Amino acid sequence: DAGVIQSPRHEVTEMGQEVTLRCKPISGHNSLFWYRQTMMRGLELLIYFNNNVPIDDSGMPEDRFSAKMPNASFSTLKIQPSEPRDSAVYFCASSQSHRDGYTFGSGTRLTVV
Amino acid sequence: SQQGEEDPQALSIQEGENATMNCSYKTSINNLQWYRQNSGRGLVHLILIRSNEREKHSGRLRVTLDTSKKSSSLLITASRAADTASYFCATEAGNMLTFGGGTRLMVKP
Repeated sequence: DAGVIQSPRHEVTEMGQEVTLRCKPISGHNSLFWYRQTMMRGLELLIYFNNNVPIDDSGMPEDRFSAKMPNASFSTLKIQPSEPRDSAVYFCASSQSHRDGYTFGSGTRLTVV
Repeated sequence: SQQGEEDPQALSIQEGENATMNCSYKTSINNLQWYRQNSGRGLVHLILIRSNEREKHSGRLRVTLDTSKKSSSLLITASRAADTASYFCATEAGNMLTFGGGTRLMVKP
């Protein structure tokens, strides 16, 4: 298995533009998580899905952020419109129930200028 | 919000020495996990210890959990320069994993 795959690896965009981050979880994993990492706030859970259904989105900063999981092999995190304070590394992770921990992707480094 | 808090925030040791990192948390948990992150990379799962376990080993790693004190420790024995990374504890409750701020470990050759 290639692991959790995120794209793009890097994204530079202008303030006000729409940004879409993509994630392909490990096949067979039934939970998917989106995290954001910054120096100031560390790793924050934004939203997680179980069996493609959003379970907890209380970490989503505001209405500019939305996430979808249309099927078991794909999820997106969208920011519209983007702002400079959204600059961070966004990680996707997947897991299979409560076994063996989470598998993280390599992250998307987002810079909003 | 961060559930776990690591101590120390940074640790510098010589190759061959042991490295100990501590983690404290606030609420009841299902399990506690330790992750490693190399600079610019994603997090890698190291070890998971369940709430009814007290100690677990994996290679050069030893993890302890004291639920009465709501604390855990990660010991890396015979450290190597390649162990240089940030180490995070994470607590799982209700299928949600909450991370601490991490310990930056530097192992000097």
